[in-house]
Amino acid sequence: GIQVEQSPPDLILQEGANSTLRCNFSDSVNNLQWFHQNPWGQLINLFYIPSGTKQNGRLSATTVATERYSLLYISSSQTTDSGVYFCAVEWMNTGFQKLVFGTGTRLLVSP
Amino acid sequence: NAGVMQNPRHLVRRRGQEARLRCSPMKGHSHVYWYRQLPEEGLKFMVYLQKENIIDESGMPKERFSAEFPKEGPSILRIQQVVRGDSAAYFCASSPSGALNEKLFFGSGTQLSVL
Repeated sequence: GIQVEQSPPDLILQEGANSTLRCNFSDSVNNLQWFHQNPWGQLINLFYIPSGTKQNGRLSATTVATERYSLLYISSSQTTDSGVYFCAVEWMNTGFQKLVFGTGTRLLVSP
Repeated sequence: NAGVMQNPRHLVRRRGQEARLRCSPMKGHSHVYWYRQLPEEGLKFMVYLQKENIIDESGMPKERFSAEFPKEGPSILRIQQVVRGDSAAYFCASSPSGALNEKLFFGSGTQLSVL
């Protein structure tokens, strides 16, 4: 099956710093999404981005499908950005969103 | 405009008991997905349902686990005769039409603890 690896596994930032999270996948994908799981366990969908670049406030994401990776940029980080960031891909051509999740990047933003 | 609602938020069961997890999708969404998250791991797909139909249950354990999404009411994930290894967070997600280019919206999850 497809392998979805994220790096770094853990990241500690000072409030206000910028960061880049990476997601590598081992096969062509039809669908890629980024999620934020906050410290209370809630999953928030940040981006649907199978290719190209999108921006939403302080967050932006870029997927280079031909090179099988995606990047999530967080600028001017805030303590509320803490949590685990997952990328998830759909690759099996099942016709529906059977997502395979990556291993996650655990982010801690300190004041 | 409520999101995906899951209840209970936390569920404690003793080994051998049954666990019933409920999921009400977002208004207007008729496609429901269940995922399981073991401690310190990412989510893993379990089952995909539309109203009254199981579309894909390839991620469900063959025994003790079942899911339904009736015409009326929430989707139910049922785990019979729970064991300690079933302890995990169970997440439900929904989408409007199941299309590949839609975002999935997740509920807050049910944390199942088996004593």
